Amino acid sequence: SSELTQEPAVSVALGQTVRITCQGDSLRIYYAAWYQQKPGQAPVLVIYGRNHRPSGIPDRFSGSSSGSTASLTITGAQAEDEADYYCNSRDSSGNLLLFGGGTKLTVL
Amino acid sequence: EVHLVQSGAEVTKPGTTLRISCKVSGYTFTDYYMHWVQQAPGKGLEWMGLIDPDDGETRHAEKLQGRVTMTADTSTDTAYMELSSLRSEDSAVYYCATGFCSRTSCYFEYWGQGTLVTVSS
Repeated sequence: SSELTQEPAVSVALGQTVRITCQGDSLRIYYAAWYQQKPGQAPVLVIYGRNHRPSGIPDRFSGSSSGSTASLTITGAQAEDEADYYCNSRDSSGNLLLFGGGTKLTVL
Repeated sequence: EVHLVQSGAEVTKPGTTLRISCKVSGYTFTDYYMHWVQQAPGKGLEWMGLIDPDDGETRHAEKLQGRVTMTADTSTDTAYMELSSLRSEDSAVYYCATGFCSRTSCYFEYWGQGTLVTVSS
């Protein structure tokens, strides 16, 4: 398969936990990375590899994977976490890369 | 500190060729792939392709086959992306991005600021 599928929109109450998922056959082989994008800004890497956060990313962001599904979890969502989130990974051939369609996160 | 600085916004006509530059600093240019990502207005991110600045190897998304050319000038630490036969659907923000690729993952830790391209007659 050459697709990564994300739910278009998710909402979470302030301070609660939210999980955003990314489904694709290539995720059985390759790790997903996750990016946060706010309006008018370039994306920011928040999770990569098994479950690694770049410097400066709060520890409320975590990643996990099971079978063909990768997940981004925000534990204790903050107002500033409201953004679009994208997953990316290699395709099943390993030669090309893919992005998921993106998930718009609303913090209520 | 790593920086990727892209060329400025462009307004161009259908059928022409676009060239965007991405000058890097703060790391060894030839150590990491340079990727290009397209984002149409109100839409998601789409991976366009990559170049290995070390040997010039490129890979492209299938939908762009024949229209995109990626090059890297190691004398100036600058990557270029050319997109030909432009059409209105190519109006988008284009990002260069780099990061680490291993056997099991490939992610983009550093991004350019984006270049807004408008294709209009």
